[in-house]
Amino acid sequence: GGIITQTPKFLIGQEGQKLTLKCQQNFNHDTMYWYRQDSGKGLRLIYYSITENDLQKGDLSEGYDASREKKSSFSLTVTSAQKNEMAVFLCASSRGANSDYTFGSGTRLLVI
Amino acid sequence: GQQVQQSPASLVLQEGENAELQCNFSSTATQLQWFYQSPGGSLVSLLSNPSGTKHTGRLTSTTVTKERRSSLHISSSQTTDSGTYLCAIDTNAYKVIFGKGTHLHVLP
Repeated sequence: GGIITQTPKFLIGQEGQKLTLKCQQNFNHDTMYWYRQDSGKGLRLIYYSITENDLQKGDLSEGYDASREKKSSFSLTVTSAQKNEMAVFLCASSRGANSDYTFGSGTRLLVI
Repeated sequence: GQQVQQSPASLVLQEGENAELQCNFSSTATQLQWFYQSPGGSLVSLLSNPSGTKHTGRLTSTTVTKERRSSLHISSSQTTDSGTYLCAIDTNAYKVIFGKGTHLHVLP
């Protein structure tokens, strides 16, 4: 079996700060995803990467950058943290389209 | 746009009762996955069921593709089943659409 690891688990930032979230998987999956989960709004796709060196915008990409450094890792950057922002960021990976997803345990963000 | 609607939004049961969760979607789904999220936890895949009926443990999922609906039946619910159940569909693209979930509370 494999594992998908997100770091950090908790992130407290200040307004206007650039914050980076990291995700690593050892499933050898081609596709990786970043989702944001807000209470009452479900999961919204921020960015995804079909394969190494690929980047695709999701529905919520404004205010974020992403980087697929290598097949096993996918980073997400909040370009300018918004005051009082509180959300969970979930990373997932899959073999490709129509394949099952595996999620990481999430990064909980709080901006003060 | 493509949508996934889950019902009920919230469900409260007594331990031992059965739960029936519904998922309706607006586009043809090439893949459908049910997830469980414990309070404050991450998402765990329960079942993949793009069509037909699948069983695993106390869980049964039935998907009727042409009617664009899927159900998740939990038999003999336990307090540890409490949490959020999410339905997600893949419409032959990489952008999987998630429902908002059903919040299940099982009372002792």
